[in-house]
Amino acid sequence: SAVISQKPSRDICQRGTSLTIQCQVDSQVTMMFWYRQQPGQSLTLIATANQGSEATYESGFVIDKFPISRPNLTFSTLTVSNMSPEDSSIYLCSVRLLRQGSDTGELFFGEGSRLTVL
Amino acid sequence: GNSVTQMEGPVTLSEEAFLTINCTYTATGYPSLFWYVQYPGEGLQLLLKATKADDKGSNKGFEATYRKETTSFHLEKGSVQVSDSAVYFCAPISSVTLIFGKGTKLSVKP
Repeated sequence: SAVISQKPSRDICQRGTSLTIQCQVDSQVTMMFWYRQQPGQSLTLIATANQGSEATYESGFVIDKFPISRPNLTFSTLTVSNMSPEDSSIYLCSVRLLRQGSDTGELFFGEGSRLTVL
Repeated sequence: GNSVTQMEGPVTLSEEAFLTINCTYTATGYPSLFWYVQYPGEGLQLLLKATKADDKGSNKGFEATYRKETTSFHLEKGSVQVSDSAVYFCAPISSVTLIFGKGTKLSVKP
């Protein structure tokens, strides 16, 4: 398994500001993802964080709004830029492990960062 | 495209009742199938999984069988407890798809 630490766990932010969420994993992982979970909704994949290169964004998400860094195999950051109340969500870091060279597909999640934008 | 259809909630049951949460999917390739659970105020945890046809995943009294012919992975539990109150997400995951169902909120009353 993987232990994933996210911070901050929650924050209240002002409209127009930006916030960076950090994700630290206790082992080297190939695949890291960022999800958004809006209130009462399911998870929506924002992007795949690629080590050493630009993240791969899903439809509806752009780098200017959600810049992502991944400097190494155990750490990533997601920034929510120029926030508005519609960005109030839980943001989840997730990783996928290879076991004995094969991909089980299983995702492990951090506990999430709950952002409220006023 | 790829999609997952999950039974809509909320579902309210009495303790010891039988639970079924339906999940069907369409996906490219041959996905592994997962059920994740999110307890109030917590992150997602893996509940059970199945990686090939006819596999049965089980955990904490919950079961789900990978039905390739009907592309389904219904979650069942014979006798629910108050502590099972949570939101349950069905997720077919492959190298291409990383999608989650909309979630089914389960409330179990004593």
